[in-house]
Amino acid sequence: GQQLNQSPQSMFIQEGEDVSMNCTSSSIFNTWLWYKQDPGEGPVLLIALYKAGELTSNGRLTAQFGITRKDSFLNISASIPSDVGIYFCAGATGANSKLTFGKGITLSVRP
Amino acid sequence: GAGVSQSPSNKVTEKGKDVELRCDPISGHTALYWYRQSLGQGLEFLIYFQGNSAPDKSGLPSDRFSAERTGGSVSTLTIQRTQQEDSAVYLCASSLASRVQPQHFGDGTRLSIL
Repeated sequence: GQQLNQSPQSMFIQEGEDVSMNCTSSSIFNTWLWYKQDPGEGPVLLIALYKAGELTSNGRLTAQFGITRKDSFLNISASIPSDVGIYFCAGATGANSKLTFGKGITLSVRP
Repeated sequence: GAGVSQSPSNKVTEKGKDVELRCDPISGHTALYWYRQSLGQGLEFLIYFQGNSAPDKSGLPSDRFSAERTGGSVSTLTIQRTQQEDSAVYLCASSLASRVQPQHFGDGTRLSIL
């Protein structure tokens, strides 16, 4: 079946640093989404991407939809302590189709 | 509230019992999804509703799992004869159905089977 690959499983950065996360797939997706999950809460949508090559920003976050439609990346600039959490990528093949999730990357930010 | 609401937030039950989990989607969202998240894992799709019908049930792991949606709003996920491997966080999401729209999640029900 479809799988999304996120690695490494954990990342440790210093406050103020930038960080980049990749998500790759062997299958094509037509929508890419990035979510952040805090302990005990549901995933919160960060950025949604709908077109190959699209580059979208949301504050300090920037994400891109790869032109092959098989990958996406998320950049966080000037990290702050509240960026700590688990970052999931997710892909969808069509309107109102299920999301396929990566296993997530746990981000730790050292003050 | 304005978000997806799930209840209960936590459920502990004995192996073999039936459980019902409830999801109240965002008002006006006709698409509703159930996912399961095991410890340290990503989310695993279970079932999708469009209105009251379920065009995609492909993720339900066994016939012990069922879900329904009434009035195009509230949905319940039922697990019969629970097993220990059913322990997980069950998450519900909803979205608008008019075009490709991102899914918005509730905070989930943490289910523990003793």
